[in-house]
Amino acid sequence: AQSVAQPEDQVNVAEGNPLTVKCTYSVSGNPYLFWYVQYPNRGLQFLLKYITGDNLVKGSYGFEAEFNKSQTSFHLKKPSALVSDSALYFCAVREGGATNKLIFGTGTLLAVQP
Amino acid sequence: DTGVSQDPRHKITKRGQNVTFRCDPISEHNRLYWYRQTLGQGPEFLTYFQNEAQLEKSRLLSDRFSAERPKGSFSTLEIQRTEQGDSAMYLCASRPPREMNTEAFFGQGTRLTVV
Repeated sequence: AQSVAQPEDQVNVAEGNPLTVKCTYSVSGNPYLFWYVQYPNRGLQFLLKYITGDNLVKGSYGFEAEFNKSQTSFHLKKPSALVSDSALYFCAVREGGATNKLIFGTGTLLAVQP
Repeated sequence: DTGVSQDPRHKITKRGQNVTFRCDPISEHNRLYWYRQTLGQGPEFLTYFQNEAQLEKSRLLSDRFSAERPKGSFSTLEIQRTEQGDSAMYLCASRPPREMNTEAFFGQGTRLTVV
């Protein structure tokens, strides 16, 4: 079965510093990986995805993620954090078959201090 | 607004009552998903429609839950005889047809509180 793990419940970073939110995956076959962000009492907003190709994926709001097959990781990164980046971040893997449903991690709360 | 629309945004109901939520996907998106998100957890898949056909239901979807998409456009999710454990955020997402590598677009969700 496909799964993703987000080992950190919360990540704290100072504004202007680089940030990393970790995600590891377990899949059979080629992984289709996604990052979404959720602000309080809101739905999920798509940030970026890895389907195939370059291991470094660039997404919305200055975020990027590095796909590492040997470490089965897909960590989310940003060179310089903003207070407005504070939110809940979810890593997800897309399951194959007819539905292509998403399997989400438990989420990581990012807190950026001014 | 051309995004996924969900109504209502919030619903408070007494235990035992029935509730119904509506999702309007992005126009021409024929694939529609319902997910449930409880506090401190990631969203969990409930059910999937391709056009009007319900192709998959999660074991999370007990017989008190029913979803429809009668004309292949909007969808409804009904919960009968609500229980406190049904309190959660219910999220709807849609995807366009045939595009294998597109992401799912999510609505703002309906937050259900059962008291």
